Formats: sequence, structure tokens, C-alpha cells
Amino acid sequence: NAGVTQTPKFQVLKTGQSMTLQCAQDMNHNSMYWYRQDPGMGLRLIYYSASEGTTDKGEVPNGYNVSRLNKREFSLRLESAAPSQTSVYFCASPAPNYGYTFGSGTRLTVV
Amino acid sequence: GQQLNQSPQSMFIQEGEDVSMNCTSSSIFNTWLWYKQDPGEGPVLLIALYKAGELTSNGRLTAQFGITRKDSFLNISASIPSDVGIYFCAGQLHKAAGNKLTFGGGTRVLVKP
Repeated sequence: NAGVTQTPKFQVLKTGQSMTLQCAQDMNHNSMYWYRQDPGMGLRLIYYSASEGTTDKGEVPNGYNVSRLNKREFSLRLESAAPSQTSVYFCASPAPNYGYTFGSGTRLTVV
Repeated sequence: GQQLNQSPQSMFIQEGEDVSMNCTSSSIFNTWLWYKQDPGEGPVLLIALYKAGELTSNGRLTAQFGITRKDSFLNISASIPSDVGIYFCAGQLHKAAGNKLTFGGGTRVLVKP
């Protein structure tokens, strides 16, 4: 998944803990996106950023905050993790011919 | 919000078989995309469809953009073991909608025991 880098790859949190998922793209794109993936539900958009300095809610934003730090970086923060946020998280940025390039994902478990 | 219904949810394949999956939407899209996801990886684009009625192939994969712009199908011919994975359809509106993708629930392709 060249061009989009996510960290960490795995994380276990206790309920109520906070963490930030990091994402960086080196393709000089304006748009970046955060999705979560749950079994049978495909990928659902949490937040997106159409350009540096702007962010907008997606389909499932509750419990999350985002920061578009600069053109390269778009972070996702869980202030108080809940078991319902156990999921695989993907960051994405536009690909050359429509669609997105995805990062390799962050597998988060909240216990 | 927009919903994409993808079917089947899972299927078993035997090497050499042709398989098919489809996606329907409650509203139209300007672009349909098909992705494949391998374990531990992000989805990777297989085929992109840009206009209604378009039929596009990529090796053993063939996909079509429905005339109504509300559906698409993906066929895999002569399946091989490495076709195992999760396949997602996705619809995209452009520009005014922030280029956001809406995804189907996925079709998990497994090998027959």
C-alpha cells in the first residue's frame, strides 16, 4: 500500500483509555479519510478531510476526533475508548484513477 | 445515508470455477469500484468503472457498471487459490460529495474443503 502509512498496526486498550492513530501520505493529495471495518459491514467512513485545515464528519463519527496536522498527516483520536470501538481502522487518500489508496490498517481491541 | 447491498456475503470456490458477486444501491453513483482485501492488508483496487453500461476486464476479472447506475457485478473466471479474500464493491460520487466512497458489506471468498 505504497503512499499511505499508518501506525500502529496493533493496539489493545482498556475501556476509558485514549489513543491516537497516525496516518501520513506522501502523494501530495488534498483529501484524506478514516474508515473503520467491521465484519459484514464493509468500511464505514468516520471522518474525512477535503483539504488541509478542514475536517468533516462521515457516517460514524461519534466517539472520535480528528486533526489534519498538515497536508501529509491526518490523525484519529479516541478520547475514551469503548468496546464498541474494537475494529480495524484504515486511513486512505485518493488514488490516481479514482478510488483510494489505503494504508495497511490498525487492528484495535478495547477490553 | 447511501447503502450498498453486496451479495453473497460469502462463497466457497473450487479451483477452476467461475464465480460472480454483485452490488446494488438505493441511489446512483458516478463511479463503481471493486476492491480485494487480503488478510492483514488494506483493500486494493481491482477494477474501476466510469460510465453506465461499461464492461471492463482485468485478467480473469470482469466487472460491469449497471445501466441504471445503481448496480454492478464482478465475475472471476477459472478461480485459483489466491482468489481467496474479501471483495468489496464501492460507489463514488465526485467533487461535490467530497469524493467519498461508500462500501458494500463485502463478499468473503473461501476455498471448498
